[in-house]
Amino acid sequence: GAVVSQHPSWVICKSGTSVKIECRSLDFQATTMFWYRQFPKQSLMLMATSNEGSKATYEQGVEKDKFLINHASLTLSTLTVTSAHPEDSSFYICSARDSGNEQYFGPGTRLTVT
Amino acid sequence: AQSVSQHNHHVILSEAASLELGCNYSYGGTVNLFWYVQYPGQHLQLLLKYFSGDPLVKGIKGFEAEFIKSKFSFNLRKPSVQWSDTAEYFCAVTGYNTDKLIFGTGTRLQVFP
Repeated sequence: GAVVSQHPSWVICKSGTSVKIECRSLDFQATTMFWYRQFPKQSLMLMATSNEGSKATYEQGVEKDKFLINHASLTLSTLTVTSAHPEDSSFYICSARDSGNEQYFGPGTRLTVT
Repeated sequence: AQSVSQHNHHVILSEAASLELGCNYSYGGTVNLFWYVQYPGQHLQLLLKYFSGDPLVKGIKGFEAEFIKSKFSFNLRKPSVQWSDTAEYFCAVTGYNTDKLIFGTGTRLQVFP
């Protein structure tokens, strides 16, 4: 089956620094990838839709200048959390959509901002 | 507002017991419905999906779900659970022409041998 990877799987950073999270589709091309955020014991909340070669589409309430998304190739999307603060600590999950419109999810990245 | 409700937050069963997890949605128009499973330490995986046709959908590992349009429900069922079914289960919905998934809060299932 299709595999999506995320790197890193967990990261700890200091407040005010930036963190980049990578999402890769390993065995298929994905023109569209999605970034979700999951708080403990809560559902996944869609943050943005990442389209290869164009600007990401952000959901209402998500700061595009804080959560920078780049989808430079058909197999890679990156999410950069800029000037991270403790409230940005969360579990970030990406998914990639294949040509059959099915979404495959990455294993997630746990971000802790101290 | 578009939303998905999963009323069972934590379900504990013995092996061989029957399972039904509730899922209700609020979404205008035609919907596509999904159940995802997340085993401990693993990523989300698709269990089954409904797009159209027979409202009783069969998925992997013996799971099935029934779409009842009049009740806005898409409950997940399995006649006999196994210890290996211990996982978090998420119901999700998209509109007909969009792939933006809206997830429920999830149900944690624990199956004891």
